[in-house]
Amino acid sequence: AQTVTQSQPEMSVQEAETVTLSCTYDTSESDYYLFWYKQPPSRQMILVIRQEAYKQQNATENRFSVNFQKAAKSFSLKISDSQLGDAAMYFCAYRSAAGATNKLIFGTGTLLAVQP
Amino acid sequence: NAGVTQTPKFRVLKTGQSMTLLCAQDMNHEYMYWYRQDPGMGLRLIHYSVGEGTTAKGEVPDGYNVSRLKKQNFLLGLESAAPSQTSVYFCASSYSKPKDQPQHFGDGTRLSIL
Repeated sequence: AQTVTQSQPEMSVQEAETVTLSCTYDTSESDYYLFWYKQPPSRQMILVIRQEAYKQQNATENRFSVNFQKAAKSFSLKISDSQLGDAAMYFCAYRSAAGATNKLIFGTGTLLAVQP
Repeated sequence: NAGVTQTPKFRVLKTGQSMTLLCAQDMNHEYMYWYRQDPGMGLRLIHYSVGEGTTAKGEVPDGYNVSRLKKQNFLLGLESAAPSQTSVYFCASSYSKPKDQPQHFGDGTRLSIL
């Protein structure tokens, strides 16, 4: 069974600085998708970025980018020019490309604080 | 667009009571999911559905039942609530294809069992 590990329960960053959140996963599959979701205090689950395992190029969405290392099974999220609104819980999630369920397997989350 | 709507947003129950959480989506998504979120444990899948009239167990299904009589609705039932079911419950939905489509989440239901 696949597992997702986020080893940093809490992180802190100064406003305008860069922070990297770690995520590792365990799978025997070769095709899958990886996601980062943001959960602010409002409790909403907001998609930040997604990556397909077969794409070698790292995904980027404005100030958010990933470092996808398939061989190492690592999928870290880099937030550049951190803003106060980035403060939230961040979840890494895995989805198999096989089967017909599109189920997500989540990590335990990293709580990011942004200091002014 | 309403997206995914969960009802109610908050509820307090006594042990042994029953209740139903309602999830409605207006995006014509085939797939729907129920998760629970507990501190330090992320989101865990309770049950899911890949189409109207179909349901399947997820990672933590015990104590819950679900039904999907209409494509747009996915109901989560607690027949006899227990304190261990105190949690925040999220409903989500997605298209079946393409596979990289994200799940869209509701705003969650905070449920407390006394």
